Amino acid sequence: GQQLNQSPQSMFIQEGEDVSMNCTSSSIFNTWLWYKQDPGEGPVLLIALYKAGELTSNGRLTAQFGITRKDSFLNISASIPSDVGIYFCAGQRGQGGSEKLVFGKGTKLTVNP
Amino acid sequence: GAVVSQHPSWVICKSGTSVKIECRSLDFQATTMFWYRQFPKQSLMLMATSNEGSKATYEQGVEKDKFLINHASLTLSTLTVTSAHPEDSSFYICSAHRDLRGDTQYFGPGTRLTVL
Repeated sequence: GQQLNQSPQSMFIQEGEDVSMNCTSSSIFNTWLWYKQDPGEGPVLLIALYKAGELTSNGRLTAQFGITRKDSFLNISASIPSDVGIYFCAGQRGQGGSEKLVFGKGTKLTVNP
Repeated sequence: GAVVSQHPSWVICKSGTSVKIECRSLDFQATTMFWYRQFPKQSLMLMATSNEGSKATYEQGVEKDKFLINHASLTLSTLTVTSAHPEDSSFYICSAHRDLRGDTQYFGPGTRLTVL
């Protein structure tokens, strides 16, 4: 099945540093979502984006929906150890939540105390 | 609110047996649920879309006769892996779309299946 291009694949950072990861697609998505998955658990929604150009924050997390509707990025500021995990982007063609999601391959984040 | 549960959380079975995994939306109704499979260190891959009261829609390459999906109520979808083989060992995750306009999908905690 289709997957989104997500980078970087992994990141090793020091506590307190900022993190940025992005996701691109060759086709348009009208909804972009960012999830975090801890080992052995299901993904948890972090931020949902519904409008091209939209910039949305959730605490230390900020995500943007690209103007072309073919990309999105997620920033984490002042990282802390509990930010460790795998971050996935996901796209939906429409804006109805009942449509299927297409996932990126994930970015594994390691934060050194 | 918007809690999704899965049962069991893990299961070990012998090759050739069938295993049923349940996905429940605990505090909301979900006309549409989704089943994903995730292999180690890989992303989630959609297997099928489950609609209450109708047949599931399977993604290309997913055998509908092997992965039986039943969405009998607005809060329960089941995935049955029939005649399981070791290559079916994986992490199976469901999600449920809350029947509210503009709402998103909520994921369950996953079920770890190991086939010996």
